[in-house]
Amino acid sequence: KAGVTQTPRYLIKTRGQQVTLSCSPISGHRSVSWYQQTPGQGLQFLFEYFSETQRNKGNFPGRFSGRQFSNSRSEMNVSTLELGDSALYLCATSRGRNSPLHFGNGTRLTVT
Amino acid sequence: AQSVTQLGSHVSVSEGALVLLRCNYSSSVPPYLFWYVQYPNQGLQLLLKYTSAATLVKGINGFEAEFKKSETSFHLTKPSAHMSDAAEYFCAVEMNRDDKIIFGKGTRLHILP
Repeated sequence: KAGVTQTPRYLIKTRGQQVTLSCSPISGHRSVSWYQQTPGQGLQFLFEYFSETQRNKGNFPGRFSGRQFSNSRSEMNVSTLELGDSALYLCATSRGRNSPLHFGNGTRLTVT
Repeated sequence: AQSVTQLGSHVSVSEGALVLLRCNYSSSVPPYLFWYVQYPNQGLQLLLKYTSAATLVKGINGFEAEFKKSETSFHLTKPSAHMSDAAEYFCAVEMNRDDKIIFGKGTRLHILP
């Protein structure tokens, strides 16, 4: 059974640009959550999608957005990149509530 | 606000010694609790989860955790540390059926030879 796939693994962008990250869930998983991981802040919740609807949202500015497609694949977009957006972005999928999260290996975003 | 506190951002133990990683949560309602492990350059992997069936939960790689409602704690233990246990460990809480999963800031476990 294939795991959670995140693409790309590494990304280097400059300030002001925008970026799109992709996450393909495990087959049968309809919930997709996104987290930002940085050394100082740990894992911070960005948002969760379930059946193409955003079900939860963290405390991030509107520059961070996401969506989920009918096949449960999800994308997150960050516009007008700032240096502070440099982080490991993790996607986690599950069957739903009270089900453990299965994580991808993340996308390492570096903003210069 | 809901929160998860992991005491100690770094913990060092000798190989063969007891591992104890602490996690406390803030909630008056027993939550769903998880421990995850992260190895370098990888995502997180589930170690174990508590769902109210039993207060002592056994996980993979010899780890276990005990839910103590009176102390709002869910500490992770392993009787004998192995070099391969060196990683970062995260405690996570899902407070109710419609809420997001919140992670602690993580504890990096170092194993001394």
